[in-house]
Amino acid sequence: AQSVAQPEDQVNVAEGNPLTVKCTYSVSGNPYLFWYVQYPNRGLQFLLKYITGDNLVKGSYGFEAEFNKSQTSFHLKKPSALVSDSALYFCAVRDPPHSSASKIIFGSGTRLSIRP
Amino acid sequence: DAGVTQSPTHLIKTRGQQVTLRCSPKSGHDTVSWYQQALGQGPQFIFQYYEEEERQRGNFPDRFSGHQFPNYSSELNVNALLLGDSALYLCASSSQGDGYTFGSGTRLTVV
Repeated sequence: AQSVAQPEDQVNVAEGNPLTVKCTYSVSGNPYLFWYVQYPNRGLQFLLKYITGDNLVKGSYGFEAEFNKSQTSFHLKKPSALVSDSALYFCAVRDPPHSSASKIIFGSGTRLSIRP
Repeated sequence: DAGVTQSPTHLIKTRGQQVTLRCSPKSGHDTVSWYQQALGQGPQFIFQYYEEEERQRGNFPDRFSGHQFPNYSSELNVNALLLGDSALYLCASSSQGDGYTFGSGTRLTVV
């Protein structure tokens, strides 16, 4: 079965500094990975996805993620954090990866807090 | 373009009662998935409906059931509510060739 792990419950960054939110995956075959963001009392908003191709994926709101096959990681990054980036971030994987009858499996989430 | 609409946004139920949550998918989507998100946790897959049938199911008891209608909208039913069923219930719609779109969820509190 496909799974993802987010090793950090919380990440604290000063505004203007770069941020990284970590994710590792365990899949059979080629993974289909996502990052979602959740603001308080809201649903999940799609940030970006990796299917194949370039290991650096660019997404919404200036976020990007780096796919690393040898380390089975898919870390979310942003060069300069904003206070408005403070939210709950989920790494996710599609299971099975390339089927129309797939579901999305989520990690446990990382709370990102950006201090002014 | 309407996204995914869920109703109600909040509700409070008593232990042992039954509840029905509703979801209208994004226009053009034919598949609906339901997730349970307990406080401080990631969403857990409950089940998925396609062509009015349950196509996949997660590790949830039979107290959780669902339905999909010909217009692709869906309902999630939970019987014999437990305190542990208190959570945010998220609906997501999708179709082949398009990604998942999530609704804002229904916050269920069981007292």
